Amino acid sequence: SQQGEEDPQALSIQEGENATMNCSYKTSINNLQWYRQNSGRGLVHLILIRSNEREKHSGRLRVTLDTSKKSSSLLITASRAADTASYFCATIMDTGRRALTFGSGTRLQVQP
Amino acid sequence: ETGVTQSPTHLIKTRGQQVTLRCSSQSGHNTVSWYQQALGQGPQFIFQYYREEENGRGNFPPRFSGLQFPNYSSELNVNALELDDSALYLCASSLGPGRGYGYTFGSGTRLTVV
Repeated sequence: SQQGEEDPQALSIQEGENATMNCSYKTSINNLQWYRQNSGRGLVHLILIRSNEREKHSGRLRVTLDTSKKSSSLLITASRAADTASYFCATIMDTGRRALTFGSGTRLQVQP
Repeated sequence: ETGVTQSPTHLIKTRGQQVTLRCSSQSGHNTVSWYQQALGQGPQFIFQYYREEENGRGNFPPRFSGLQFPNYSSELNVNALELDDSALYLCASSLGPGRGYGYTFGSGTRLTVV
């Protein structure tokens, strides 16, 4: 079963604009991770944010985590056509199974 | 440093047959996990292997089984294939089975069951 839900399901923007994707989850987590997937192939790890962190940056990526609302957001600034992909959030729970539980993803289209 | 390698990249099988998918983990990674991704969905956890033992399993029937070898490579076996088994199968490796690690994914094996 899916742990989280991404919002929106699809997003289309122009090159240079910012893209924001949101993720909600249901259970207490150890950390939350964001992945990118191009054309239905392998996933690329983007960033990991732990449950005691509120914000993390990596290049043009900014991730926030609000554990009280069980939500996270991924911001891609100054988007490029090469950012076109599906983006997934995935959680690792605080107890029990030590495996990634993925949401359903956001499909981002960046128009050149 | 090599990444995660999966083989084959594509496979077509007939319902009722058996299939074996293979995965070589990233150098230095001792934990391998397998995921099934149906079209338009997020990946679903099948199972994880650590030190050649199954270390956790998702909601998949026993006809999904696996192995991990001493070099940390892994196999996913599916018996009695069903049409719904058609999906992208992803292998991921990590530095350990702990909760704080990111995962390196392979490019996947696209399985089509006809």
